[in-house]
Amino acid sequence: KQEVTQIPAALSVPEGENLVLNCSFTDSAIYNLQWFRQDPGKGLTSLLLIQSSQREQTSGRLNASLDKSSGRSTLYIAASQPGDSATYLCAVTGGGNKLTFGTGTQLKVEL
Amino acid sequence: ETGVTQSPTHLIKTRGQQVTLRCSSQSGHNTVSWYQQALGQGPQFIFQYYREEENGRGNFPPRFSGLQFPNYSSELNVNALELDDSALYLCASSLDQDRTKNIQYFGAGTRLSVL
Repeated sequence: KQEVTQIPAALSVPEGENLVLNCSFTDSAIYNLQWFRQDPGKGLTSLLLIQSSQREQTSGRLNASLDKSSGRSTLYIAASQPGDSATYLCAVTGGGNKLTFGTGTQLKVEL
Repeated sequence: ETGVTQSPTHLIKTRGQQVTLRCSSQSGHNTVSWYQQALGQGPQFIFQYYREEENGRGNFPPRFSGLQFPNYSSELNVNALELDDSALYLCASSLDQDRTKNIQYFGAGTRLSVL
């Protein structure tokens, strides 16, 4: 059974700081990995999708890496802003075409 | 905005009742997935529908059932509600069931409270 873990569970940083969110998964037989953003009480917004054959993806200030063999992914956020405050979820696509999510990292960027 | 709409946004039910949640997929998407997200947890996969047929199911009891209609909109039905069913229910649509693409677009969710 696939299990996805995210560390840390919560993070508070001052504005402008670069930060790294971590995600690990137990079964390396995945098709892809996605990072999502979730604002309080809202749905999910897809940030980045990395196919299993890729090592990283970039979108603006976000960079996600994938090391499938070790079961790890990181989301790097450069020059953080208060608007980045949200919960960040990683999810892997495995058998059955379903997403298995981690429990998320709650990020707060303070002025 | 993802183009995926869910209704209602909030719902309060009592234990033992039945509930129907609705989802309208993004235009052109023929695959819809439902997820349950308890407070402080990540979403858990309930089931997926592809062209009106169930196409995968998570670890949820049979009292969780679904439908997908010819226009690819979808319903999630939950019978005999239990207190633990209180959660945010998320619907996600995707262009097809190709898991290598599998960009799922999520709605804002329905917040269900069972008293």
